[in-house]
Amino acid sequence: DGGITQSPKYLFRKEGQNVTLSCEQNLNHDAMYWYRQDPGQGLRLIYYSQIVNDFQKGDIAEGYSVSREKKESFPLTVTSAQKNPTAFYLCASSRPTVGNTEAFFGQGTRLTVV
Amino acid sequence: GQSLEQPSEVTAVEGAIVQINCTYQTSGFYGLSWYQQHDGGAPTFLSYNGLDGLEETGRFSSFLSRSDSYGYLLLQELQMKDSASYFCAAKNYGGSQGNLIFGKGTKLSVKP
Repeated sequence: DGGITQSPKYLFRKEGQNVTLSCEQNLNHDAMYWYRQDPGQGLRLIYYSQIVNDFQKGDIAEGYSVSREKKESFPLTVTSAQKNPTAFYLCASSRPTVGNTEAFFGQGTRLTVV
Repeated sequence: GQSLEQPSEVTAVEGAIVQINCTYQTSGFYGLSWYQQHDGGAPTFLSYNGLDGLEETGRFSSFLSRSDSYGYLLLQELQMKDSASYFCAAKNYGGSQGNLIFGKGTKLSVKP
């Protein structure tokens, strides 16, 4: 079955450590996105990529980094420079068409800094 | 800048009809989408409006007016399982080519 997979589901990190969240899709989508969601809040865009080897900063990119070496994969690294990293992280993918913006989401990774 | 505004909370009773509004400000606008998210879950796509007018999908309908930069999601015959957060979203083809931005979401509570 086609879909988008995030791992791990829960992640604990010590302050000062970098951590990488995995996102893999087999939907053959060119576009991929990372969002951060805080309790009771909307989805804020961290990074997005429309094509392999290219990505753009979203609204809250500071303290995060990404890579897009393969079409299927778009890992997100939360660096020690991110001052408040505890949040729910969602990865999504879509076809980069002009029209319908249907995006498919993974089940999310809940990151907690301890 | 680009933004989508929607009410933070709405409450309705089972069997009723509720409308969730969304106003947007974004360059390169091509259409408005709606997503549903239950607590702790992932957002799932509900509908898309690329043209002005009403799109109907079962109990859910969505409307877009480009001249007013406005859209809404209409939920009919509300059920308890409709209690969730609803987000409007738009893809921007202006200065930030191809990003997909969301409103802050409307939390719908359906009461018996």
